[in-house]
Amino acid sequence: SQTIHQWPATLVQPVGSPLSLECTVEGTSNPNLYWYRQAAGRGLQLLFYSVGIGQISSEVPQNLSASRPQDRQFILSSKKLLLSDSGFYLCAWATGMGEQYFGPGTRLTVT
Amino acid sequence: GNSVTQMEGPVTLSEEAFLTINCTYTATGYPSLFWYVQYPGEGLQLLLKATKADDKGSNKGFEATYRKETTSFHLEKGSVQVSDSAVYFCALTFPGGGNKLTFGTGTQLKVEL
Repeated sequence: SQTIHQWPATLVQPVGSPLSLECTVEGTSNPNLYWYRQAAGRGLQLLFYSVGIGQISSEVPQNLSASRPQDRQFILSSKKLLLSDSGFYLCAWATGMGEQYFGPGTRLTVT
Repeated sequence: GNSVTQMEGPVTLSEEAFLTINCTYTATGYPSLFWYVQYPGEGLQLLLKATKADDKGSNKGFEATYRKETTSFHLEKGSVQVSDSAVYFCALTFPGGGNKLTFGTGTQLKVEL
């Protein structure tokens, strides 16, 4: 069966520091991968998605970036965090039929 | 563009009450429709889905029917439990390409004893 992992689970970082969040998927090949952000009490905002290694589509211009160095690895990064980057970050993968499966999330607090 | 509209929350019910959370969508064509559930502090879990008109998705006592004529996919449960307290998201996608999901804003459900 397929599983999706995210780490770290929680993170507290000062403004201006770099960020690296990692997501890996097991049990499937060449999945579509997604990064979402969920602000407190709000809905989901799609940040990036990838249909293959090295292929990244950005949905929202911001100081975040994403990379897909391996088939089942998706990384979200920032060179300098802003206060507004605080939130709950979710990674997901999609089947060919469009349904997405989500990881447990990373709660990021920028102080 | 595509959009999903959900009823505003929070919805507060007593245990064993009947639940309806309304969801309507706007899309060109016939998307696949989903309900996701998010428990506090966790990621989203796929609750149920329907891929064509008149399909009924069901899981864990929850049901939703894909109504093309009213562009709706309302979530129902006959008897809610305290453990059903969570945020529920309605979503749509067109399979193929990037398979991007369009989400509603979510509806918080609180079930009390």
